[in-house]
Amino acid sequence: SQKIEQNSEALNIQEGKTATLTCNYTNYSPAYLQWYRQDPGRGPVFLLLIRENEKEKRKERLKVTFDTTLKQSLFHITASQPADSATYLCALDSGGSYIPTFGRGTSLIVHP
Amino acid sequence: DAGITQSPRHKVTETGTPVTLRCHQTENHRYMYWYRQDPGHGLRLIHYSYGVKDTDKGEVSDGYSVSRSKTEDFLLTLESATSSQTSVYFCAISGDRTLGGELFFGEGSRLTVL
Repeated sequence: SQKIEQNSEALNIQEGKTATLTCNYTNYSPAYLQWYRQDPGRGPVFLLLIRENEKEKRKERLKVTFDTTLKQSLFHITASQPADSATYLCALDSGGSYIPTFGRGTSLIVHP
Repeated sequence: DAGITQSPRHKVTETGTPVTLRCHQTENHRYMYWYRQDPGHGLRLIHYSYGVKDTDKGEVSDGYSVSRSKTEDFLLTLESATSSQTSVYFCAISGDRTLGGELFFGEGSRLTVL
């Protein structure tokens, strides 16, 4: 069966360090992979999209990599700040159904 | 911010009563979705719509129905609410795939079924 795995344990890091979150998937052939941020009590907010033929995407302090051989995406936040503390969700989309399927998310806590 | 609003934002109801959640968008986006979010399960798709009067089931559609009579409105109905439907419900919208395909979410509707 199709499965998307994100680390269920919270990631705790010190301010200024690089946070790296992982999204692994099985039995998918995603055309797109997306990352969202969700703050407590709020809806998810789109951050980045990377296509299957792209290896890396950057936006300000954010970087996403997509390895279709390893079936894995890494999400990096450089120079992390306490304001980056949130839950980060990855979502996969086959491209044909227009229905993204979400992982359970990983909580990031950045300590000052 | 994308123009998407959900109502009501909070609702407490009793088992067996009907409940309707409304999602309203001002973006004229084609695709609309209802997800529920529960601890340990993440976001799960209930129903989605790919146009007016065009809807289909998602992963957890049992006990839910939807309607979309206008581009801007997508209604989620629980015909007879059960305690297992206590959850936070999110509506999302998405436009043409050529624009990127990302989802824009509403702020959520917290439903408690007693």
